Amino acid sequence: EIVMTQSPATLSVSPGERATLSCRASQSVSSNLAWYQQKPGQAPRLLIYGASTRATGIPDRFSGSGSGTEFTLTISSLQSEDFAVYSCQQYTNWPRTFGQGTKVEIK
Amino acid sequence: QVQLVESGGGLVKPGGSLRLSCAASGFTFSDYYMSWIRQAPGKGLEWLSYIGGSNAYTNYADSVKGRFTISRDNAKNSLSLQMNSLRAEDTAVYFCARTDYYYMDLWGKGTTVTVSS
Repeated sequence: EIVMTQSPATLSVSPGERATLSCRASQSVSSNLAWYQQKPGQAPRLLIYGASTRATGIPDRFSGSGSGTEFTLTISSLQSEDFAVYSCQQYTNWPRTFGQGTKVEIK
Repeated sequence: QVQLVESGGGLVKPGGSLRLSCAASGFTFSDYYMSWIRQAPGKGLEWLSYIGGSNAYTNYADSVKGRFTISRDNAKNSLSLQMNSLRAEDTAVYFCARTDYYYMDLWGKGTTVTVSS
């Protein structure tokens, strides 16, 4: 099973600032990586797939990069609606596995 | 409106059974793979099961293999998860998700399952 490790667990950021979230895979997943946003009581939302392709309707302040074992999600200028938990997921191997999540909170 | 709505969660005793449902609307359900994912309190997301568009292919996480069964009714735009031999560690919010084979591009809000005596 591929283990996905996200860091940091919590990121405190002021509105308007840049946020950089990391995701590491225990073995190469090529570019088979997705990012999701999750808010309390809401359905999780797909942000990025293929490591760097934004899903439909996702603002361009969200960007993904990386390949192999190291990935980054960047939010260029945090808006109030962006404070949430972000999870990465690999889809190279079964079982599909997620990271434990990074909570982006207001500083 | 494109959406998924889960139902069927509740409180069940260890060793008991529960059947979750997921109602799909706003898209051609039979064209898509579907998945179940759960999130235990304070934990990350855990993929559980996956089914192809025509029921021909299913896959399960080891943690639920032999206890949970995924199925779908394309005529009713409905996905199900039959959960047997439930354990305390199955306590979680259960999500259904439309799956673009690889990643989950549409999720429901989830239904809560609590396994406790």
